[in-house]
Amino acid sequence: GQQVMQIPQYQHVQEGEDFTTYCNSSTTLSNIQWYKQRPGGHPVFLIQLVKSGEVKKQKRLTFQFGEAKKNSSLHITATQTTDVGTYFCAGPGTGGFKTIFGAGTRLFVKA
Amino acid sequence: DGGITQSPKYLFRKEGQNVTLSCEQNLNHDAMYWYRQDPGQGLRLIYYSQIVNDFQKGDIAEGYSVSREKKESFPLTVTSAQKNPTAFYLCASSSAGLISHEQYFGPGTRLTVT
Repeated sequence: GQQVMQIPQYQHVQEGEDFTTYCNSSTTLSNIQWYKQRPGGHPVFLIQLVKSGEVKKQKRLTFQFGEAKKNSSLHITATQTTDVGTYFCAGPGTGGFKTIFGAGTRLFVKA
Repeated sequence: DGGITQSPKYLFRKEGQNVTLSCEQNLNHDAMYWYRQDPGQGLRLIYYSQIVNDFQKGDIAEGYSVSREKKESFPLTVTSAQKNPTAFYLCASSSAGLISHEQYFGPGTRLTVT
């Protein structure tokens, strides 16, 4: 069945270092979304990418959608302690309205 | 304020009891979802509903039931048949559509069954 895989599962960084999480789909996606879940909280929608090769920025966060629309990445420049949490990518499931979530990358930032 | 509410935030039950988790949204969204999240894990889809009076099983529907009698409400019942019900349950909603599927999540309910 359709799968969305994320790596790494965990990442520990020193504050100020950069961080990247990667997302790969087994099928071509019409769009991809990214969510952030703070510890103890609920996922919050960050962004949606639709076009092949699209790059979007939100302050220190850069999101990319691959040319083949099967992979994506989230890069955080100069991490801060407020970036701590789990970052999920998600894509639409085939044949319906459900969304397939990756397992997430948990980011730990040491001050 | 528009949003999704879930109640209660924490719920404790004895094994063998059914329990119903509430989810209400005032975003006028057609689609609603229930997910289960275990510690350190991702989101697993339990049930979803695209429209009132219709719903479909997700990946882990066994031991759960839902109803969608109103657009605003999508309650989840965790039955005694669910072998390992202790988890964090998240409800979400989205505008139904083939392009835009971004989901808005409620604060979640942490269920503990002993």
